[in-house]
Amino acid sequence: GQNIDQPTEMTATEGAIVQINCTYQTSGFNGLFWYQQHAGEAPTFLSYNVLDGLEEKGRFSSFLSRSKGYSYLLLKELQMKDSASYLCAVNGNEKLTFGTGTRLTIIP
Amino acid sequence: EAGVTQFPSHSVIEKGQTVTLRCDPISGHDNLYWYRRVMGKEIKFLLHFVKESKQDESGMPNNRFLAERTGGTYSTLKVQPAELEDSGVYFCASSPPPRRASGTSLFQETQYFGPGTRLLVL
Repeated sequence: GQNIDQPTEMTATEGAIVQINCTYQTSGFNGLFWYQQHAGEAPTFLSYNVLDGLEEKGRFSSFLSRSKGYSYLLLKELQMKDSASYLCAVNGNEKLTFGTGTRLTIIP
Repeated sequence: EAGVTQFPSHSVIEKGQTVTLRCDPISGHDNLYWYRRVMGKEIKFLLHFVKESKQDESGMPNNRFLAERTGGTYSTLKVQPAELEDSGVYFCASSPPPRRASGTSLFQETQYFGPGTRLLVL
């Protein structure tokens, strides 16, 4: 089976940096995805890691360590619109197993 | 390019009634997935189609749920009869087939999600 853990809630200040951690225990692993979800909307793709290391995409970066079962999403230069839920999901056999999501609140 | 669409956006029904949810994937995506989020819990996998075939239906809760994808295009998910615990948000996602990366490893294509159908069973 799969188990995904991430913090339930986080708060950060506009313009700052925040790191959202995700740990996982899996019986199969074909990569880890991060999605952003605003209330009432579809989860939207942010990043994908299948090999160890850091993937950078603009203000967002994601890191993976397969040996530690650990990933993080790093958001820089935070904007108010970054207030959303961030979902960590592991791909195993083509289906995604999600964590409960981290609700991030950006304050001025 | 149009994204994944779902219909209806909301549905309120009484226990024992039937509801049918529809998902239109991104054009050309062979893979179609159904997921569900029950209030307070994580999004959970229900089933996976490759074209018109059910690849994996291990997440379907019970035989009150029936998914179809005739012709390999849009898909429907029928709940009959609905129970109170079926309330939640039903998401559909689609993706192209996985690509062959270096060696024998596969690059898993991104799953693109629809906005979901919010189902409330009273």
